[in-house]
Amino acid sequence: DVKVTQSSRYLVKRTGEKVFLECVQDMDHENMFWYRQDPGLGLRLIYFSYDVKMKEKGDIPEGYSVSREKKERFSLILESASTNQTSMYLCASSSIFSNQPQHFGDGTRLSIL
Amino acid sequence: AQTVTQSQPEMSVQEAETVTLSCTYDTSESDYYLFWYKQPPSRQMILVIRQEAYKQQNATENRFSVNFQKAAKSFSLKISDSQLGDAAMYFCAYRSGGANSKLTFGKGITLSVRP
Repeated sequence: DVKVTQSSRYLVKRTGEKVFLECVQDMDHENMFWYRQDPGLGLRLIYFSYDVKMKEKGDIPEGYSVSREKKERFSLILESASTNQTSMYLCASSSIFSNQPQHFGDGTRLSIL
Repeated sequence: AQTVTQSQPEMSVQEAETVTLSCTYDTSESDYYLFWYKQPPSRQMILVIRQEAYKQQNATENRFSVNFQKAAKSFSLKISDSQLGDAAMYFCAYRSGGANSKLTFGKGITLSVRP
């Protein structure tokens, strides 16, 4: 089974802090994704990466950056956390083939105080 | 850009009954794939079923089946013999054909199952 592991289930940070969310997958997938999930808004794509050191902006990249130095690891960075970034963050990975599903981690519930 | 619409935010079904969750999408592409994902209260999103747009036959996975109407751009999920464990949020998603394509999700529907 594909395993996508997010480093924290719950995280509490303060406004202005730099926050790192880590995601690791064990299936040698080329593609990795970061989503934000808010009630009534569904999943919104923040950034995705289709190869090491490659990244593309999703629908809501403002206030976020990403890093992919190794194929199995994709990090989401909040450069200066703000209260409106309090949310559930989901990481996913997939192969390049469009008929294959994305596999998700358990999610990180991030609270910015 | 593709859009996915799930117009019903919540639905409820009696245990052992059948329920249908609606999803419509908008695209000008001919090559694409459709997915239904389930997110139980424990939060991990898992794949329920997928449908290839080029296939006329509706996909089926045990108690889960889809009604794929390509011309109408409709992709509904039918859950038969509903179980308490089916209670979850369900998301419909669209993925373009071709390598490295993204998923576009609907807003989701919360399904509750009454014992």
